[in-house]
Amino acid sequence: ETGVTQTPRHLVMGMTNKKSLKCEQHLGHNAMYWYKQSAKKPLELMFVYNFKEQTENNSVPSRFSPECPNSSHLFLHLHTLQPEDSALYLCASSQESQPSAKNIQYFGAGTRLSVL
Amino acid sequence: GQQLNQSPQSMFIQEGEDVSMNCTSSSIFNTWLWYKQDPGEGPVLLIALYKAGELTSNGRLTAQFGITRKDSFLNISASIPSDVGIYFCAGQVNTGKLIFGQGTTLQVKP
Repeated sequence: ETGVTQTPRHLVMGMTNKKSLKCEQHLGHNAMYWYKQSAKKPLELMFVYNFKEQTENNSVPSRFSPECPNSSHLFLHLHTLQPEDSALYLCASSQESQPSAKNIQYFGAGTRLSVL
Repeated sequence: GQQLNQSPQSMFIQEGEDVSMNCTSSSIFNTWLWYKQDPGEGPVLLIALYKAGELTSNGRLTAQFGITRKDSFLNISASIPSDVGIYFCAGQVNTGKLIFGQGTTLQVKP
């Protein structure tokens, strides 16, 4: 148990569906992250939130829409996805997002997404 | 962009053997992290390194922050079946962003 909980663990959706991924951290951290993990590729950073403010959008298509209502919760809203968006989506949190020893990121177990 | 080259990509070893993997880059990093990912789970932090030349152990795991700040290695001694998984290195750059290696898949034969 890393203190970062993601739901659902598995999700199958059609290309016309709208769904949301949820992440909750119980570590008292102020920064939260979304990553995409595809087979045979390094983890790809998607979004960074620091104190509820988005500080990085790594050129992610608009069909992925993040939301951070408070420092403990992070959502990823999905709509009109493509089959190539199928991947493991990982949430992480850290005490802060600035370069320091306090930026150790702790990951959730991920949501395995399949787009049909 | 910044990239980490992690090697080997995969290893298949006998239980009890020692394992070594490494990450190299043309870029300088402020912090090196090593994570392990079990099937169906997210990466779990194993070791964090904060200073060039630092050597840190965590049980049977030992990792070092290269003196040039461009590389790091992870050693596992006396491997056991539960060491199976994917090991990732990650380097922290000046912005705080983490750059991940491609991962080393470790399989241990009992």
